[in-house]
Amino acid sequence: GAVVSQHPSRVICKSGTSVKIECRSLDFQATTMFWYRQFPKKSLMLMATSNEGSKATYEQGVEKDKFLINHASLTLSTLTVTSAHPEDSSFYICSARAGGLGEKLFFGSGTQLSVL
Amino acid sequence: EDKVVQSPLSLVVHEGDTVTLNCSYEVTNFRSLLWYKQEKKAPTFLFMLTSSGIEKKSGRLSSILDKKELFSILNITATQTGDSAVYLCAGYNNAGNMLTFGGGTRLMVKP
Repeated sequence: GAVVSQHPSRVICKSGTSVKIECRSLDFQATTMFWYRQFPKKSLMLMATSNEGSKATYEQGVEKDKFLINHASLTLSTLTVTSAHPEDSSFYICSARAGGLGEKLFFGSGTQLSVL
Repeated sequence: EDKVVQSPLSLVVHEGDTVTLNCSYEVTNFRSLLWYKQEKKAPTFLFMLTSSGIEKKSGRLSSILDKKELFSILNITATQTGDSAVYLCAGYNNAGNMLTFGGGTRLMVKP
C-alpha cells in the first residue's frame, strides 16, 4: 500500500517557538493531504485540507494564522504551529489520498507535540 | 453537518471472546464507510464498505454495512491481546470529498 512519512515523530519545544511538521507521500502523488489533531483518548479532529498549489481549507474554529499549512509539491505538505503554547500540545497526524484510490486515506505515523 | 457515532466508547473482554463494534452515520452524499485500527500511532486501514449487506472479511475481522439503517458493525472473533486498540469508523461524503470520523471504540483484550 501507499506510504506516508511524517516527521518528526516527537517534538518538545518552549512556549513561543514555532514548530514545523512534515508529511510526505513516498510512493505516490498526493494532490490532497489532511491534517488532524488528536487529544488523548479522543478521535481524530480534522484541522484542515491541504491542496497542492493552493491555499489550505481550514475547519471551523481552527486558526489559519496559528496553524500554517503549505502544500508546495505533490509529495509534501507541512504544518507549522506558530508561537506554540502549552494548549497546542497534542498529537498531530497527516493523511494523504492517492489520486486513484478515492476516499481511502493513508496516514502518517503522527507527531506528538509537547509545548513547555 | 456530517456525524458519525460509535458505540460502545470502550470495551474490556478476555482473549477468545467475540466483540461487535457499532458505527452509525449521518453523512450527506454518502459513498462509503471505512474502518481503521489505531494502536499507538497512526490509524491503519481495515475495511472500506460501499454496498449494503455484503460482508467484508479479513482473518478474524469482518464488517458489514446497512445503508438503509445507516450503520455498520465490525466483528472480531476469537480476540487476542494484539487486538487491543482504538477502532475508528469514518463516513465519506462524496460531494464534500471528506471523511468524518467517529469518536472511536477503545477495545482492551485481557489475557
